[in-house]
Amino acid sequence: QKEVEQNSGPLSVPEGAIASLNCTYSDRGSQSFFWYRQYSGKSPELIMFIYSNGDKEDGRFTAQLNKASQYVSLLIRDSQPSDSATYLCAVKKTSGGYQKVTFGIGTKLQVIP
Amino acid sequence: KAGVTQTPRYLIKTRGQQVTLSCSPISGHRSVSWYQQTPGQGLQFLFEYFSETQRNKGNFPGRFSGRQFSNSRSEMNVSTLELGDSALYLCASSTRGSGLAGITDTQYFGPGTRLTVL
Repeated sequence: QKEVEQNSGPLSVPEGAIASLNCTYSDRGSQSFFWYRQYSGKSPELIMFIYSNGDKEDGRFTAQLNKASQYVSLLIRDSQPSDSATYLCAVKKTSGGYQKVTFGIGTKLQVIP
Repeated sequence: KAGVTQTPRYLIKTRGQQVTLSCSPISGHRSVSWYQQTPGQGLQFLFEYFSETQRNKGNFPGRFSGRQFSNSRSEMNVSTLELGDSALYLCASSTRGSGLAGITDTQYFGPGTRLTVL
């Protein structure tokens, strides 16, 4: 079982629709969860992070965390063609001086005009 | 505030050679992590340096090494290059706080170094 699992896609949604990106993780001790967007040929850029159960909204983006189910998701409302990219889920665990960040393979999102 | 910088941006090497990549973190960030990204494997963690000490290491052979300087700049070295080392090498910096700051501390990525091994 991979530590962080994402469906590699592609996930295709029409412009204006809600895109739902999902991520599951195996380590129950994981404490914070990050979503990055990566355009082809570019480096990952942070969208948002979440560490408490529930929803966190930032503009058109909503991150959802359910620690009991070891599941985190990213919703993109009113999807635009410019949102077409690969979305990486990252899971972090810290303990004393130890820190580990693990990335999923990423989900490729295609927003169709 | 300037972002994370990496040099060089592109490198072409031949098998058996060695290469050194450089990363300058965001000002005030003392942690630098290195990742290898390939299409099939995604982002694979190489190692993390904090306060000039390697704090964590991924599952890579000893040909991959790194170091961090007192100004937090970091270098990564790959010796005896193999074809499979062709990848995008990314570094990410963070403040690496403690407690809640450590939990919410965010990594910011540089533009990467594209290494091609022929």
